[in-house]
Amino acid sequence: DGGITQSPKYLFRKEGQNVTLSCEQNLNHDAMYWYRQDPGQGLRLIYYSQIVNDFQKGDIAEGYSVSREKKESFPLTVTSAQKNPTAFYLCASTPSLAGGGDTQYFGPGTRLTVL
Amino acid sequence: GQSLEQPSEVTAVEGAIVQINCTYQTSGFYGLSWYQQHDGGAPTFLSYNALDGLEETGRFSSFLSRSDSYGYLLLQELQMKDSASYFCAVRSEGFQKLVFGTGTRLLVSP
Repeated sequence: DGGITQSPKYLFRKEGQNVTLSCEQNLNHDAMYWYRQDPGQGLRLIYYSQIVNDFQKGDIAEGYSVSREKKESFPLTVTSAQKNPTAFYLCASTPSLAGGGDTQYFGPGTRLTVL
Repeated sequence: GQSLEQPSEVTAVEGAIVQINCTYQTSGFYGLSWYQQHDGGAPTFLSYNALDGLEETGRFSSFLSRSDSYGYLLLQELQMKDSASYFCAVRSEGFQKLVFGTGTRLLVSP
């Protein structure tokens, strides 16, 4: 079955530590996205990538970093510079950035708690 | 800037019909989407409107009026499993970068 996997589902880290969240897709999609969701809030875009070795900042990129070395993978690093990292992180993908329709396919999410 | 407004919560009973409204302000507009998210889960795509009018998919329909910067999601024959949060999202640029609303929590009671 094609889909997006994120691991781990729950992640606990101490304040001041960097942490990397995994996102893998086998849908052969070109574009990938990272969102952050806080309780009772919508999704806010952190970073997105149109193709391999290319990515752009979203609306709340400060304190985060990404890489896109492979089409299937788009890991997100939450750095110690992120002031309030505790949140639900969602990875998504689309066949390409252009074109009709707006179906974004989401992974199951990683709930990060910083202690 | 870009903003989307939705009611924070809507309640209804099983079998009823409910409408969730969304108004938006964006610099450009390519389409309005709706996503469903159950507690603790991932959002799933429901519908997309690029042109004015009504799109129907089973029990769910979505409407768009571009001149009014307004859309709504209509859920018919409500079931308990429809209890979830519903998000509208706007594509304001020529690629699939979406801006999401803050979501409407729908509570369906017996």
